[in-house]
Amino acid sequence: DGGITQSPKYLFRKEGQNVTLSCEQNLNHDAMYWYRQDPGQGLRLIYYSQIVNDFQKGDIAEGYSVSREKKESFPLTVTSAQKNPTAFYLCASSIDGPYLENTIYFGEGSWLTVV
Amino acid sequence: QQQVKQSPQSLIVQKGGISIINCAYENTAFDYFPWYQQFPGKGPALLIAIRPDVSEKKEGRFTISFNKSAKQFSLHIMDSQPGDSATYFCAARDLSGGSYIPTFGRGTSLIVHP
Repeated sequence: DGGITQSPKYLFRKEGQNVTLSCEQNLNHDAMYWYRQDPGQGLRLIYYSQIVNDFQKGDIAEGYSVSREKKESFPLTVTSAQKNPTAFYLCASSIDGPYLENTIYFGEGSWLTVV
Repeated sequence: QQQVKQSPQSLIVQKGGISIINCAYENTAFDYFPWYQQFPGKGPALLIAIRPDVSEKKEGRFTISFNKSAKQFSLHIMDSQPGDSATYFCAARDLSGGSYIPTFGRGTSLIVHP
């Protein structure tokens, strides 16, 4: 079945460590996104990519990094520079372009906790 | 600056009642207004969406009402069921701006008591 796969579902990070969250999609979508979700904060955009080998910062990119070497993959690295990384992270994808009903599809999310 | 304001932050409704969630926006260039439903521990999923050329769209028990002049839109859940308990996000997108990324509201946590 087509969809977005995020892994791991749960991840624990020690202070000072970098961790990488995986996101793979088989929907043949050009655009991919990373969102962070905190209680009462809604969905905040970290990074997005509209094409392979290109990506743009979102609203809260500090302390995060991404790569887009393949169309189907968009991993997110949470670096030690991110001071408050404990959150629920959502990867998403969509068809890119001026299509009026351009639905964003989300993965199941990854929980990151700092220990 | 919050471009899409969503209220209430939380909502408790009895089974069979009507749940109403409101959103207001400022950017008159927004041209597509989807609602997403998110169950605990899961990613959001598209529930229903509306374009500004219609004032209402209904899909089953879910209805979007759209008021272009007031720059407001709302989600109505009729005959609310415990299975509707979830977080709901409104969103808006501006195609003319060249970006296809929607702006999300902060979400409403809905609890439907049996």
